Amino acid sequence: RKEVEQDPGPFNVPEGATVAFNCTYSNSASQSFFWYRQDCRKEPKLLMSVYSSGNEDGRFTAQLNRASQYISLLIRDSKLSDSATYLCVVRYSGGSNYKLTFGKGTLLTVNP
Amino acid sequence: DTEVTQTPKHLVMGMTNKKSLKCEQHMGHRAMYWYKQKAKKPPELMFVYSYEKLSINESVPSRFSPECPNSSLLNLHLHALQPEDSALYLCASSQDLGLITDTQYFGPGTRLTVL
Repeated sequence: RKEVEQDPGPFNVPEGATVAFNCTYSNSASQSFFWYRQDCRKEPKLLMSVYSSGNEDGRFTAQLNRASQYISLLIRDSKLSDSATYLCVVRYSGGSNYKLTFGKGTLLTVNP
Repeated sequence: DTEVTQTPKHLVMGMTNKKSLKCEQHMGHRAMYWYKQKAKKPPELMFVYSYEKLSINESVPSRFSPECPNSSLLNLHLHALQPEDSALYLCASSQDLGLITDTQYFGPGTRLTVL
């Protein structure tokens, strides 16, 4: 099983649609979870951090299920500007160990 | 302000050149990172500095040499690179590796082409 696995995509949705991305992780000791968005030829930008069961910010909702080792990102009422690659990132830190693992990303295109 | 700045934005170098990438943050963050990203792939961690000391080297070839002159600056010295080293080099910073809530913020990157 890969350390962080995301929906392979790509996703093509019309404006106004609701879209959900899924991500699973293999290290049960993982502590923090993030969704970043990355536009073409730009840097990753933090979208949401998830430490407990979930987080909501406007049209974006992230949920964490530690028992199933699963994180999701829901985008409601999608806009053209939501078109980007969405990266699921999982962080583990313990003692002198540190690991931040990126999923391969899921490309979203929102169409007019 | 969550700004990380990087210079230069673009760099073209020959295989015998020596060049340096620079990264700066003024958020008081104590951890800084270098990543390499190839097209259509996620970023790959290269180095982590924590409190100005090299904490992690992900088995990066010695032709890449990091340096952290102070808590705000991070450099990546490049020497004798290969064409396959062409990529987007991203710098990131975060408050403190020991915090569970520690979150990385990325700079805009340097797009490197090795001829």
